[in-house]
Amino acid sequence: SQQGEEDPQALSIQEGENATMNCSYKTSINNLQWYRQNSGRGLVHLILIRSNEREKHSGRLRVTLDTSKKSSSLLITASRAADTASYFCATAMDSNYQLIWGAGTKLIIKP
Amino acid sequence: DVKVTQSSRYLVKRTGEKVFLECVQDMDHENMFWYRQDPGLGLRLIYFSYDVKMKEKGDIPEGYSVSREKKERFSLILESASTNQTSMYLCASRLFTNSNQPQHFGDGTRLSIL
Repeated sequence: SQQGEEDPQALSIQEGENATMNCSYKTSINNLQWYRQNSGRGLVHLILIRSNEREKHSGRLRVTLDTSKKSSSLLITASRAADTASYFCATAMDSNYQLIWGAGTKLIIKP
Repeated sequence: DVKVTQSSRYLVKRTGEKVFLECVQDMDHENMFWYRQDPGLGLRLIYFSYDVKMKEKGDIPEGYSVSREKKERFSLILESASTNQTSMYLCASRLFTNSNQPQHFGDGTRLSIL
């Protein structure tokens, strides 16, 4: 049961530019998480934002959450070639529930 | 640092074979997960385990079983492999049963069933 939907499916930008990815979901959530997956590798947790939070920062990452619109965005500032990866959002509907995953955004940073 | 190790990066098996995928974590995590990843579908949960000898079906358990005899090890079993089980399989662990905890992933096993 896929809850999150990332937009766009693919994004290609120049190194140094900012990258923005969006995630929409359908039901009320406890939290929303973003993960990165480099080609052929496992996923790495980036950031978690709780339903009562609106914005969170971690280094060059900025995540926003709008529960009224049931959407989140991930902003990567000053992109680098090493940011090339797929980015997934995952939502948790209550404090114990498993995560429900979106299909991901493939980000390519051109040197 | 957190470490989740999957026994094989690539595996090729034949239809009808019984296939074992192994996953080990070294962090004393209570929860472990098996996912399947297919292009355009994101991650789909096959099984998860709250603790030793505990297991719960996920969204797509048909054709699979699991075993968790020790806390650090979670095995996925394809009872009789079929070509539609060709996929990337990802194992993950989590400290305890709370979705506010992040999941930690292995590098995946790319399984081909011929």
